[in-house]
Amino acid sequence: GENVEQHPSTLSVQEGDSAVIKCTYSDSASNYFPWYKQELGKRPQLIIDIRSNVGEKKDQRIAVTLNKTAKHFSLHITETQPEDSAVYFCAATSGGGSNYKLTFGKGTLLTVNP
Amino acid sequence: ETGVTQTPRHLVMGMTNKKSLKCEQHLGHNAMYWYKQSAKKPLELMFVYSLEERVENNSVPSRFSPECPNSSHLFLHLHTLQPEDSALYLCASSQTRWRDTGELFFGEGSRLTVL
Repeated sequence: GENVEQHPSTLSVQEGDSAVIKCTYSDSASNYFPWYKQELGKRPQLIIDIRSNVGEKKDQRIAVTLNKTAKHFSLHITETQPEDSAVYFCAATSGGGSNYKLTFGKGTLLTVNP
Repeated sequence: ETGVTQTPRHLVMGMTNKKSLKCEQHLGHNAMYWYKQSAKKPLELMFVYSLEERVENNSVPSRFSPECPNSSHLFLHLHTLQPEDSALYLCASSQTRWRDTGELFFGEGSRLTVL
């Protein structure tokens, strides 16, 4: 089955700096890669996603890049703010039909220091 | 109410108790999920209900039993749990399971502690 590795597990940055979180996946057939943000005590929420036919996608201060050949994708947050502090999860799809599922990484705790 | 709501938010139970977690979605979605969230582990998919089909993770112990009476409601029945079952149980829904843009809408979770 799909294996998704996420690094780093914790990341601390100063406000205004950039943050990068990286994920690798094992299933070459994976075609959808979402990122979820979970603030402390809150529900995970989708913040950005990318499909396999696109190499990069941006939404204001966040961007995701995908390298299908190397089977890795990354989340980039620029000009970080304290409200960006949260756990970020990457995920990748695998399987088809009744076996279709989304496999998550272990998460990265991002702390943005004022 | 809108979105995905879960009750109870917190539950403490002994190993011999029987309890149930409830999830309700008000989004008109056709697929509902139970995930287990443990510290320093990936979100683990436990069960999926999509339209009339139930798909489960074969590694989930039989002491967890899901029930989906309709497309808006999902239950997780708990029986003779173990302390290692203590975790945050997240319910989620999506418009349909088979599209590759199946954004998951999560509830806020039920924090379960097994004594």
